[in-house]
Amino acid sequence: ETGVTQTPRHLVMGMTNKKSLKCEQHLGHNAMYWYKQSAKKPLELMFVYSLEERVENNSVPSRFSPECPNSSHLFLHLHTLQPEDSALYLCASSQDSQPDTQYFGPGTRLTVL
Amino acid sequence: QKEVEQNSGPLSVPEGAIASLNCTYSDRVSQSFFWYRQYSGKSPELIMSIYSNGDKEDGRFTAQLNKASQYVSLLIRDSQPSDSATYLCAVGPYTGGFKTIFGAGTRLFVKA
Repeated sequence: ETGVTQTPRHLVMGMTNKKSLKCEQHLGHNAMYWYKQSAKKPLELMFVYSLEERVENNSVPSRFSPECPNSSHLFLHLHTLQPEDSALYLCASSQDSQPDTQYFGPGTRLTVL
Repeated sequence: QKEVEQNSGPLSVPEGAIASLNCTYSDRVSQSFFWYRQYSGKSPELIMSIYSNGDKEDGRFTAQLNKASQYVSLLIRDSQPSDSATYLCAVGPYTGGFKTIFGAGTRLFVKA
């Protein structure tokens, strides 16, 4: 298990539900990331927070809403999702912008019915 | 043109052989290059990073970078069945940027 944890590990939700994904890092890092991984597609960067400030927002639909209350916690709030949003959602953290310090959590497998 | 391109595979090699994984990238100003391994159902794990032209060796793994050709590769010597996984090529940002771009990955099967 890495120093980055994610809950829940699996989530099934309807299109009208509201749910949240949680990520916590225990590595003392100061940057956190949300990625989306769909089958046979590259990892897509969604959001980056550095020192609790959003520094990247990669044209993600507003039905995904991130929140970073402190440098150890990151949330992804979900509402009125579409079936095509079904994917593995990965959280990662790093020290500053150094990608070779980037560690991934185990991911949340999301299914939207 | 895809920003980071990899052959999706699967690449199948016998145990003990050399597996060669290739990756090309489109942004000439890219500064850093990475290989991640992702086992089925697991998250990506960084196995190699390379920043300068040439070869970098770490155990059974060798990363090769050619910035002029915008090409990076990963060689796995003495391949083992436990090396069977998807290998993701990633290209890091300019200094101070956070946006690492990933390829879709190459699936590797090592046959016992």
